[in-house]
Amino acid sequence: DVKVTQSSRYLVKRTGEKVFLECVQDMDHENMFWYRQDPGLGLRLIYFSYDVKMKEKGDIPEGYSVSREKKERFSLILESASTNQTSMYLCASSLGGRTNQPQHFGDGTRLSIL
Amino acid sequence: SQQGEEDPQALSIQEGENATMNCSYKTSINNLQWYRQNSGRGLVHLILIRSNEREKHSGRLRVTLDTSKKSSSLLITASRAADTASYFCASWMDSSYKLIFGSGTRLLVRP
Repeated sequence: DVKVTQSSRYLVKRTGEKVFLECVQDMDHENMFWYRQDPGLGLRLIYFSYDVKMKEKGDIPEGYSVSREKKERFSLILESASTNQTSMYLCASSLGGRTNQPQHFGDGTRLSIL
Repeated sequence: SQQGEEDPQALSIQEGENATMNCSYKTSINNLQWYRQNSGRGLVHLILIRSNEREKHSGRLRVTLDTSKKSSSLLITASRAADTASYFCASWMDSSYKLIFGSGTRLLVRP
């Protein structure tokens, strides 16, 4: 089974801090994704990557950046955390380039910015 | 606005009953997926239906797709308490190379 591991289940940070959320997958998937999930808004795509060192903006990239130095690892960076970035963050991975394959999700990081 | 909108937003049924959730989307799609999310966990892929398919089954799950109405439905038969979760539809558009998720249906199955 595919395993997508997010480094923290819960995280509390302060406004203005630089925050790193880490995600690792163990199935050699080409695609990796970062979403945030807020009540009533469903999942919104922040960034995705279809290959090492490649990244593309999703629907809400403002205030975020990403890094994919190795195929198995996709990091989400909040450059200067703000309270409106308090949310559940979900990482996902899938097979094969720009194709529609099922996505496999981690258990999420619930991030609170104080 | 969300590409996919689920209906109802919340559903409460008795164990053993069937649960039906509906999803509508706005633009043409390549295919549509359904996911499940247990409280506090990530999403789990349930089933994928392609735009040229009308119906698909997987165990107690039945998914239909009506591209003329831009809608899909997920039926869970003989529900169990363990089916309690949120269910999301997600549509894939080749033009954008990404999945667009709806806001989900919260299902409660009472023992």
